Formats: sequence, C-alpha cells, structure tokens
Amino acid sequence: KAGVTQTPRYLIKTRGQQVTLSCSPISGHRSVSWYQQTPGQGLQFLFEYFSETQRNKGNFPGRFSGRQFSNSRSEMNVSTLELGDSALYLCASSLAEGATSGNTIYFGEGSWLTVV
Amino acid sequence: LAKTTQPISMDSYEGQEVNITCSHNNIATNDYITWYQQFPSQGPRFIIQGYKTKVTNEVASLFIPADRKSSTLSLPRVSLSDTAVYYCLVGYYGNKLVFGAGTILRVKS
Repeated sequence: KAGVTQTPRYLIKTRGQQVTLSCSPISGHRSVSWYQQTPGQGLQFLFEYFSETQRNKGNFPGRFSGRQFSNSRSEMNVSTLELGDSALYLCASSLAEGATSGNTIYFGEGSWLTVV
Repeated sequence: LAKTTQPISMDSYEGQEVNITCSHNNIATNDYITWYQQFPSQGPRFIIQGYKTKVTNEVASLFIPADRKSSTLSLPRVSLSDTAVYYCLVGYYGNKLVFGAGTILRVKS
C-alpha cells in the first residue's frame, strides 16, 4: 500500500513568486492536512481538508491556500513568496475527518522549499 | 488540550533498550497517546498508538499506567538508525495535531 506522496521533493523559488505543492493521500484516506516545519517554529498546522472542504485552518496569512479534489488529492499554494517561507512542507492523511483521537495520521516525506 | 512533557534529549548505545517517558497530567478521558519518529528532512513516521495498559508492535512498545498521566515508549535494542526526534502526542487540539519539541535520541556505537 503506497504511503502519502508529495511532489516535488525539492524546489527553489525567488521572492515574490508563487509555488504549488501536491499531495496524494494514502488510498482510501479522505482527510488531508498540511504542516510547515522550520527549525525555529517546529511543526505548525496550516490547514485540513475533508471531502473537498477546508475544515480547519492554522494561523498563517492568506498567502497560504489549499484545495482538495474529488479523488482526495490536495494541493497547497503559497503566493508572493517571502524568505521566511523557506521550510519543509508536510502533507498528512487519515481515514476519518480531523485529528480525532484514535484516528491515525500518516505523513508524507515533505517538500523542501527554499526561497532566495 | 493535554500538555505533554518529554526529555529534551537522551543518549544511548547500540543494543540497549531505550525508554522515553512522556508526562501528560491533564489527559482527557477519550484521548489516545501517539508517538512519532522523525529523521532530518523527512516527515514524521507513525510508531505506535495506545489508550491504556500496553501496546506492542514490530518496532516498539507503549506502556500506559492505569492513571494515564504518563506513557513510556520502549525501543528494544536500538541501533544507530534509531537516532531521531521522537514526539509524544496526546489528544488533539480541535482538528489539528500540536507537536511539542520532542526528544532527540542519539544512539552511539
């Protein structure tokens, strides 16, 4: 059974550009969430999608957005990139909606974004 | 949200058993306890999850006392490849996971 797949694995962008990251959840999983990880802030929740609807959102500016498709695949977009957006972006999937207790959440390998 | 407390770091040698304890005094009745392992530049990997007593899988055991105010992740016979950050999560805040700083485990030869 394939795990959570994220593409691209590494990318470099210039300040002001935008970027789109893709996530394919584990087969059968309908919940997809996104996290940003930086050395200074650790792992921080971005947003979560279930059945193509955003269910929850973290404390990030509106430049960060996402969407989920009918096949549960998800994309996140960051517009007007800033140097501080350089981070590891992680996608996670689970069977049930949300991080309800007992609902195991599985992470992908992440997409490394460097903004120069 | 149950606050968790873990040691910042631990050192061990290859072949030893490692026990990492997580304190979670205000755990709620329906909260599960979940442990993740993370290597540099990779996503967290699910290790084990439990609610009470003892859970064992092919890589680790999780011990949870009756009062559930703490839990211990046990890694048998660690190797150099077990050097990683280990996160203990208890319950969830709303619909999102909240990660603490985790425990840096360093395994030496």
